[in-house]
Amino acid sequence: EVQLVESGGGLVQPGGTLRLSCAASGFIFNNYWMTWVRQAPGKGLEWVASINPDGSEKYYVDSVKGRITISRDNAQSSLYLQMNSLRVDDSAVYYCTRGTWGPATWGQGTLVTVSS
Amino acid sequence: DVVMTQSPLSLPVTLGQPASISCRSSQSLVDSGGVTYLNWFRQRPGQSPRRLIYKVSNRDSGVPDRFSGSGSGTDFTLKISRVEAEDVGVYYCMQGTHWPRAFGPGTRVDIK
Repeated sequence: EVQLVESGGGLVQPGGTLRLSCAASGFIFNNYWMTWVRQAPGKGLEWVASINPDGSEKYYVDSVKGRITISRDNAQSSLYLQMNSLRVDDSAVYYCTRGTWGPATWGQGTLVTVSS
Repeated sequence: DVVMTQSPLSLPVTLGQPASISCRSSQSLVDSGGVTYLNWFRQRPGQSPRRLIYKVSNRDSGVPDRFSGSGSGTDFTLKISRVEAEDVGVYYCMQGTHWPRAFGPGTRVDIK
């Protein structure tokens, strides 16, 4: 069974740092693009970042460029999102998804709250 | 950047009746290889989104055939032939052709 399990969310102060992780199983991880999508409370879905199978290509939404970095460890079948200089408007549920042109598999999400 | 719009944003429907959601993109979603990466997702309350339709008109495994997708270029439609109670949720279109990827604002479907 294909499974994505996110972790690492929590409460952080504005300007703080957080690292999200996503453990993948049930498929050959290093064959797939991976993507983070977020959803602010009561709002719609927002694509955040995607990474290609070998990690050499990364794309970001403009609002996170320079602050957030997507990465992966194919040996560990894991996807990461390093979030620095966090802002209140980064508060959201962050979903790990498989694919990029139309994510077919989603994790359950991890909640990030940025507040003082 | 490509902007995705949806209409209506709220859609009260009667059980057993058809429903239709429109999605428009600010640029053509046809890529250089002639493929159109337009997808539809549904998110039920308290759940993660689920993809229903990919590349305009292809239903994902397990998606009932009362769901259909159509369209081309910049105009797309999701149709439900006969709405059932389990279809309640928020429906999003998403373009996967251009960077950055983008979702529409969502259409909330509920039962009258």
